[in-house]
Amino acid sequence: NAGVMQNPRHLVRRRGQEARLRCSPMKGHSHVYWYRQLPEEGLKFMVYLQKENIIDESGMPKERFSAEFPKEGPSILRIQQVVRGDSAAYFCASSPGEGTQPQHFGDGTRLSIL
Amino acid sequence: GQNIDQPTEMTATEGAIVQINCTYQTSGFNGLFWYQQHAGEAPTFLSYNVLDGLEEKGRFSSFLSRSKGYSYLLLKELQMKDSASYLCAVRDPGAGSYQLTFGKGTKLSVIP
Repeated sequence: NAGVMQNPRHLVRRRGQEARLRCSPMKGHSHVYWYRQLPEEGLKFMVYLQKENIIDESGMPKERFSAEFPKEGPSILRIQQVVRGDSAAYFCASSPGEGTQPQHFGDGTRLSIL
Repeated sequence: GQNIDQPTEMTATEGAIVQINCTYQTSGFNGLFWYQQHAGEAPTFLSYNVLDGLEEKGRFSSFLSRSKGYSYLLLKELQMKDSASYLCAVRDPGAGSYQLTFGKGTKLSVIP
């Protein structure tokens, strides 16, 4: 499968635990974007990364949320001390570059907080 | 601020044509995208417009008028599998980097 790979597809956590969401971009893509989608809401931008660099994190909450895209391995979105309001679908997208390139999305991780 | 509006739901008949409208108000503009999203699945890229006019791709066409802040997605010869949400998204460099700002999506139901 040459598409954007996200895992896990479903993740259940209790309040206060940590959630780690992984995203492997399409082959040849070096730009990664994370979005959050709440029920009946549109996709909301969270963070944009290139290898080893956070380019824009303007959509990410300042506390408890962090993201990385290391030189080797997938991009990770990490949520510490999860709360019920973190329940959502988290989508990762990738593109080969900036400009006119469309972003290609993974199937998402559905995070449920008990 | 940024605002992207599209109808919440639409219903159309198999074999017919449907037009899904999108209006946007953003501080800047660097392209408009349409995505299709089936329930529980990834949004898949359909079309991209950056200049005014119509872009045609098979049964799907997308139109843009930058002066009016308006776009539409036209679906012809509707099939049952076209039942999905259709997402309008604008790339606004004023919002920072190359992030996309999405509307809430239009849920299209195709009926026999």
